This record gives sequence, structure tokens and C-alpha cells, in this order.
Amino acid sequence: GAGVSQTPSNKVTEKGKYVELRCDPISGHTALYWYRQSLGQGPEFLIYFQGTGAADDSGLPNDRFFAVRPEGSVSTLKIQRTERGDSAVYLCASSPSGGGGQAFFGQGTRLTVV
Amino acid sequence: RKEVEQDPGPFNVPEGATVAFNCTYSNSASQSFFWYRQDCRKEPKLLMSVYSSGNEDGRFTAQLNRASQYISLLIRDSKLSDSATYLCVASGNTGKLIFGQGTTLQVKP
Repeated sequence: GAGVSQTPSNKVTEKGKYVELRCDPISGHTALYWYRQSLGQGPEFLIYFQGTGAADDSGLPNDRFFAVRPEGSVSTLKIQRTERGDSAVYLCASSPSGGGGQAFFGQGTRLTVV
Repeated sequence: RKEVEQDPGPFNVPEGATVAFNCTYSNSASQSFFWYRQDCRKEPKLLMSVYSSGNEDGRFTAQLNRASQYISLLIRDSKLSDSATYLCVASGNTGKLIFGQGTTLQVKP
């Protein structure tokens, strides 16, 4: 069956540009997570959706980062005025019910800001 | 202080060895705990859940000590294919999943 799908798989952008990263969760999963991972580090929590609403956005580093999930399925992570420090792998995961249950990850989007 | 802390290693062990990883978490309200495995340049995948009563899956045993806020993973009879990064995970107050830095294991022939 289909797993979590993230697009694009790679994105190179210039400093100061705007980017959108897309996540298609497993069908029927109500919980959706965004993480970012730098080399040698574990996934760093960004935001967690239950359905359409953000249950916890405490990991978003600043107001340049924003995420939406308007219909409770696909989610988009938006980064404004990108900086070189935003370069990382952005991982999306979904879970049948959230609340601390097992999460299934996509293969990630590798973002490089030059 | 990070919410979930692990020794990053690397742990270099010969095939057949037994190796143990430890992890501590700071949020006493955490309800769910997991070990994930991540291969180089791949996404994390669930290895096993962790319970206070202990959880065994073949060569892998996971244990939770709530009083000490401590999680462990034991791998017996290590195989070359066990080489990977092992991520300790605890749930937060809102249900979010918090990952540790990961512990790197390299099994040598």
C-alpha cells in the first residue's frame, strides 16, 4: 500500500526565497508530524496536526515557518525568506490516531539553501 | 537540557556481540516510548515499542524504567545488518513524538 509521500525529494533554493514542501500522509491517518533533521542529529520536532488543526506547533523555530493541513490530509510546510541555516532534511510522518502512537515516515525532502 | 538524551556513540562491536543502548527522558508525563532504526540517508522506521513490563522481539529487548525515566535497548548476537542509528523516542504532553539524537552502531566482521 502507499506510504507517506513527500515532494519534492530535493530542493535547492537561493537565500531569501520562499519554499513549499508537501506531504501526503497514509490514507486515513489523522495525525501528521513535521520534523527536520541535520547531519548527525535526531529528527527535531516542528509541528503536529490532529486533523486540520495544529495540536502543537511549539517546534517551529520562528515566524518564517508555517504549516497547513486544510482538509486534514495533505500538509504543506512553508518557509519564507530562507536562510542557509534552514538547510536540512525535512521529514513528514503520519500516525493512525496520534496521541503518542507509532508514526510512519516519508523519505524526506532535502532542502539546500545556497 | 534535551527532552530525550542518548549517547551518540559510535558503538563499534564485533559480530555476535551483545550491545546495550540507554536513553533518558525528562518529561515525567510521557506516556509512549519507542525505539526507531534509521539507516544512512533513509527515513526512521519503527523497531519496537517500549513497555514497563519489557518487550522482546527476537534478538532485541527493550525496557522502560519510569521511576528513573530511563529506556534501554539490548541487541544480542549482533549482525552486520544491525549497523544503523538507533533513535529513542518519547511522547510529549500533547502527543507529539520527541526523538533523541540517536546512537550509531557499527557491527564489524
